[in-house]
Amino acid sequence: DSGVTQTPKHLITATGQRVTLRCSPRSGDLSVYWYQQSLDQGLQFLIHYYNGEERAKGNILERFSAQQFPDLHSELNLSSLELGDSALYFCASSVDRGRFGETQYFGPGTRLLVL
Amino acid sequence: AQKITQTQPGMFVQEKEAVTLDCTYDTSDQSYGLFWYKQPSSGEMIFLIYQGSYDEQNATEGRYSLNFQKARKSANLVISASQLGDSAMYFCAMREEKNTGNQFYFGTGTSLTVIP
Repeated sequence: DSGVTQTPKHLITATGQRVTLRCSPRSGDLSVYWYQQSLDQGLQFLIHYYNGEERAKGNILERFSAQQFPDLHSELNLSSLELGDSALYFCASSVDRGRFGETQYFGPGTRLLVL
Repeated sequence: AQKITQTQPGMFVQEKEAVTLDCTYDTSDQSYGLFWYKQPSSGEMIFLIYQGSYDEQNATEGRYSLNFQKARKSANLVISASQLGDSAMYFCAMREEKNTGNQFYFGTGTSLTVIP
């Protein structure tokens, strides 16, 4: 158990709908990263938040947005869903392990299926 | 160019044997970190081992060791005494340290199957 929690574990929805994925980082971790893992594109970095502020954006679609709240939990909002958005969505929280640098610990993921 | 390259889509190993999973990386930074993660069929991503670019010794964590060859830009994962539970996808990743925040890159993964 990494200490990172994600809800829900599974989500089935229809095209055109909007969903919200939730992530709670490990206690004390200020950073949250979101990734999308699909069969054809591997693990793609979406967005990074640090202590409530957006730090970096990766391959995140305009239909997707995220935020990190004062209690450090984060939400990823996916709207106008398309079939191709079906994937496993991970969040990872990170900690600076001194000489080991920043290390990411992943949550169990949310498996999204768009029908 | 790909930041992380894993050239073995699938590997098989006999139980109790050792196996090496290949990973090469591309960076011009002096300071970076290299990671390996395991993803079993349940889907979770499990952190296995870390190697810093300035570490002179190869990292080891139990049955896992990282064969770090800086000049060749390779960071191969060695699993000794394979167990059936080692069957999973394995991902190599790199952290580049930027002023705007660290960037993480992942390879496409290697599927390892341990044969009884």
